Amino acid sequence: GAGVSQSPSNKVTEKGKDVELRCDPISGHTALYWYRQRLGQGLEFLIYFQGNSAPDKSGLPSDRFSAERTGESVSTLTIQRTQQEDSAVYLCASSRLDGYGYTFGSGTRLTVV
Amino acid sequence: QKEVEQNSGPLSVPEGAIASLNCTYSDRGSQSFFWYRQYSGKSPELIMFIYSNGDKEDGRFTAQLNKASQYVSLLIRDSQPSDSATYLCAGQTNDYKLSFGAGTTVTVRA
Repeated sequence: GAGVSQSPSNKVTEKGKDVELRCDPISGHTALYWYRQRLGQGLEFLIYFQGNSAPDKSGLPSDRFSAERTGESVSTLTIQRTQQEDSAVYLCASSRLDGYGYTFGSGTRLTVV
Repeated sequence: QKEVEQNSGPLSVPEGAIASLNCTYSDRGSQSFFWYRQYSGKSPELIMFIYSNGDKEDGRFTAQLNKASQYVSLLIRDSQPSDSATYLCAGQTNDYKLSFGAGTTVTVRA
């Protein structure tokens, strides 16, 4: 597609429920990244995919967080048993193999109540 | 110590003035640096990148890199109200991952 597409744009969930966030990168972008941004704070790295492998998932905050990617296409970030501290905007970005020019999606705003 | 620190702001400048944003980084292996602009409630958008020592100019924006001092800066000349946003500095550390600073919020007063 023309840009990085994320869905849903907003998600309100009850504490303890599982959520799935989806990212559809720009066609041809082999690298895909997930970041988290809490209100008023900077971007926190979560995980990086090269193709469908994840050479760096050091930023995943706990085992409640997992992510997968199908080939060089869609990625899903899953948060199990959501907690209030998971409330944030989850941003996905993609780039060509050379890593220049990350393009971000518009994000998913997750609110855990 | 955070990998990338933005040590100025919030910043308020009058319209037409120069806004100067600063960033330092700790990983000497960092090769490239990026400046993103993020409007409130929106996702970051890339405005400049730099990988060589010295200055790089693009319109009203100038990025400066000093690898010996591990210092990156962004100058916005002739600041406009539309430049009011949060500016994020990022360093490319390894495997293409970008490490972001916390951001500097700029307000341009009309």
